[in-house]
Amino acid sequence: AQTVTQSQPEMSVQEAETVTLSCTYDTSENNYYLFWYKQPPSRQMILVIRQEAYKQQNATENRFSVNFQKAAKSFSLKISDSQLGDTAMYFCALRLQGAQKLVFGQGTRLTINP
Amino acid sequence: GAVVSQHPSRVICKSGTSVKIECRSLDFQATTMFWYRQFPKQSLMLMATSNEGSKATYEQGVEKDKFLINHASLTLSTLTVTSAHPEDSSFYICSAPTPGSHNTEAFFGQGTRLTVV
Repeated sequence: AQTVTQSQPEMSVQEAETVTLSCTYDTSENNYYLFWYKQPPSRQMILVIRQEAYKQQNATENRFSVNFQKAAKSFSLKISDSQLGDTAMYFCALRLQGAQKLVFGQGTRLTINP
Repeated sequence: GAVVSQHPSRVICKSGTSVKIECRSLDFQATTMFWYRQFPKQSLMLMATSNEGSKATYEQGVEKDKFLINHASLTLSTLTVTSAHPEDSSFYICSAPTPGSHNTEAFFGQGTRLTVV
């Protein structure tokens, strides 16, 4: 069975700072996808970034980047130049290749302070 | 991009009544949809997998007679909370994976806040 763990229930930083959210996972499979989803106060789930496990290069989307360490089964999210609109719950998720089911972590509540 | 529409966004019902929540894929066909329940400040808990043309697959501990799922077409899945009780009050979210052999993404509905009084 797959598990995803986010060990930081809450984080808070000042606007424009850089923040890193941690995520570890466990699977015996070799081929999978990792995701970070954002859930703002509207509660709409929004995909932030995704990483294919077979790719060594870390994914980047504008201010969002990941540090993917496959051997350590770690997948952290770095938000640079944080903005007030980044305030949200962030969920790390894992999906096996060939499967459709997502396994979510517990979430990290991120607050960006002005 | 692919869009999943969920309706209603909010519903208040009386104890003992049934409530139906709809989840539609607007610009793609979804043979599979997922239904989640989310308690305040917690993660998404998968309730069941909705399969077009066949019975839904329920996660352990989820009452299938309580939470009826019907995947009527390739673009519509419904979740009916039967004989609702206050403890069924929660936020329910549906999602559908994008089609294709290389699909990697799931799209989520806007969610439904159910309050049972």
